[in-house]
Amino acid sequence: DVQMTQSPYNLAASPGESVSINCKASKSISKYLAWYQQKPGKANKLLIYDGSTLQSGIPSRFSGSRSGTDFTLTIRSLEPEDFGLYYCQQHNEYPYTFGAGTKLELK
Amino acid sequence: EVQLVESGGSLVQPGGSLKLSCVASGFTFSNYWMDWVRQTPGKSLEWIGEIHTDVSETNYAPSMKDRFTISRDNDKNTLYLEMNNVRSDDTAIYYCTRTAVYYGVLLRGVMDAWGQGASVTVSS
Repeated sequence: DVQMTQSPYNLAASPGESVSINCKASKSISKYLAWYQQKPGKANKLLIYDGSTLQSGIPSRFSGSRSGTDFTLTIRSLEPEDFGLYYCQQHNEYPYTFGAGTKLELK
Repeated sequence: EVQLVESGGSLVQPGGSLKLSCVASGFTFSNYWMDWVRQTPGKSLEWIGEIHTDVSETNYAPSMKDRFTISRDNDKNTLYLEMNNVRSDDTAIYYCTRTAVYYGVLLRGVMDAWGQGASVTVSS
């Protein structure tokens, strides 16, 4: 299975700041990485797929990038609703696998 | 509005069986592949498997293949997950998800809609 190593585990930031979350695949997954947001009491939300394609309806302050097997989710100018858990997931091969998650907390 | 509503979660004894359901609304269910994903307490997400639109093909994570069965009833807009010989490490929240389609192109493994989850606890 492809192992997805996500970092940091915890991240504290203030509204208006920019943050980055990283995800490294244990082998090549080409561009096939998705990012999801998880918040209590809400359904998980797809943010980005294919490494950098923004899902419809997701604000442009979210962006994704790739360098080899390293992927980054960047959130510019944090809004209060952005705090929560974020997961990466490779969708290149079976079984699809997720990172351990990053908790983005209010500083 | 796309909605996925899971049900059937409960407390089950080790070695027992359980069948989860997921009712879909707000989209043409029969046109979409569907997946199940679980989240164990304090841990990350784990993909269980997927079923194709015409129910003829399923794919599973190797660790799930022997005990879990995914099925669907397109007439009832319902997805199912049958779990057999459950163990304590099957304790988790089980999510029903939809595989994304973009302008008619299937985005395999990309899950663009999630349910709220069904809680399964395996304990004696």
